Amino acid sequence: DVKVTQSSRYLVKRTGEKVFLECVQDMDHENMFWYRQDPGLGLRLIYFSYDVKMKEKGDIPEGYSVSREKKERFSLILESASTNQTSMYLCASTRINYGYTFGSGTRLTVV
Amino acid sequence: GESVGLHLPTLSVQEGDNSIINCAYSNSASDYFIWYKQESGKGPQFIIDIRSNMDKRQGQRVTVLLNKTVKHLSLQIAATQPGDSAVYFCAEIHYNQGGKLIFGQGTELSVKP
Repeated sequence: DVKVTQSSRYLVKRTGEKVFLECVQDMDHENMFWYRQDPGLGLRLIYFSYDVKMKEKGDIPEGYSVSREKKERFSLILESASTNQTSMYLCASTRINYGYTFGSGTRLTVV
Repeated sequence: GESVGLHLPTLSVQEGDNSIINCAYSNSASDYFIWYKQESGKGPQFIIDIRSNMDKRQGQRVTVLLNKTVKHLSLQIAATQPGDSAVYFCAEIHYNQGGKLIFGQGTELSVKP
């Protein structure tokens, strides 16, 4: 069974901390994505990656960066966490021309 | 601009009835459409997909209809069960834009026993 695993289900961080959200997929997918999900705003794309060491900005990249050193792992980095980054973060992966598989999500609270 | 939207934010149905969830999209060049189900505290789960060269696809208790003329997508759930209660999202993919998935806002389906 295909899997996208996000390392944490719940995280609480302080304002100004550097935060790493990890995502690993075991399907050898080329493309990986990070979304955030907020009430009333749906899912919004933060960053995506087509291949190792490649990254593209999504619709709301400000305040975030990403790292893809290996094909199976895509990390989302909050350089200096702020309260407006409190959200549900969803990672997804896909093979070209096929549908997405999502992880279970990480609910991040910044206090 | 690009958008995928849903006609109704909430839908309440009686157990055993059929449910229809609608979605409008704005980009006629979209290649591929997916319906996702999201239960509370979980990530979106794939339900069914349809490519732009099709107008209907059936799965187990679910059917997706695509009307490209009016840019409308619908998800039909037969014999709705309490376990079907969730938020349903339609999404579209543009392969000429890197395969980004564009989501609608979601419809919350509530099934009354």
